[in-house]
Amino acid sequence: QVQLQQSGAELAKPGSSVKISCKASGYTFTSYAMHWIKQTTGQALEWTGYIAPGSGGTKYNEKFKGKATLTVDKSSSTAYMQLSSLTPVDTAVYYCARAGYNSGYHFDYWGQGVMVTVSS
Amino acid sequence: DVVLTQTPPTLSATIGQSVSISCRSSQSLLHSNGNTYLHWLLQRPGQSPQLLIYLVSRLESGVPNRFSGSGSGTDFTLKISGVEAEDLGVYYCVQGTHAPTFGAGTKLELK
Repeated sequence: QVQLQQSGAELAKPGSSVKISCKASGYTFTSYAMHWIKQTTGQALEWTGYIAPGSGGTKYNEKFKGKATLTVDKSSSTAYMQLSSLTPVDTAVYYCARAGYNSGYHFDYWGQGVMVTVSS
Repeated sequence: DVVLTQTPPTLSATIGQSVSISCRSSQSLLHSNGNTYLHWLLQRPGQSPQLLIYLVSRLESGVPNRFSGSGSGTDFTLKISGVEAEDLGVYYCVQGTHAPTFGAGTKLELK
């Protein structure tokens, strides 16, 4: 069965960076785009961007350009998101979710989420 | 950005009651290819969101048929015909016709 297993919670200081992971299993990793979605404590959801694992091609929400960097390791079917120059505004739960290409962002499987807390 | 406005923000229901949630878009969600990329998610307490309905009205595999979706253009509705306890949580609409955006959510709680 399809599973997206994310890494554990992160506590980071302002100005630092974190790199969170999402290990995919149960499907062909390169056949679906991997998206990242931010959820703040107010429950608002915000699309960060996606990566095409086969080509490494990326597309970002304009708001997250320079903040988020998406990469993959095809050998381990793992997607990564690095968040840089962290501020308290970046405190949120970050989900990975897969969607088929040309599916219109039809997020059919989600990871369990990673809580990133930015605090001095 | 496309703004999705969900109403009501909170919905109180009894078990067995039928309820509807509205999602209105600031722009038409009809894509040039003829598809309308409006989907519905449910986030149960303490869980990740899960897909319920995609392309306005198509039920995701495994989702009970008491859930249904309808609408076109800028106005969309999710209906639950006979709420069950497992349906409690926050419902979100999400559009993928343009750069993806989410509604603010509708919390379904027991009356």
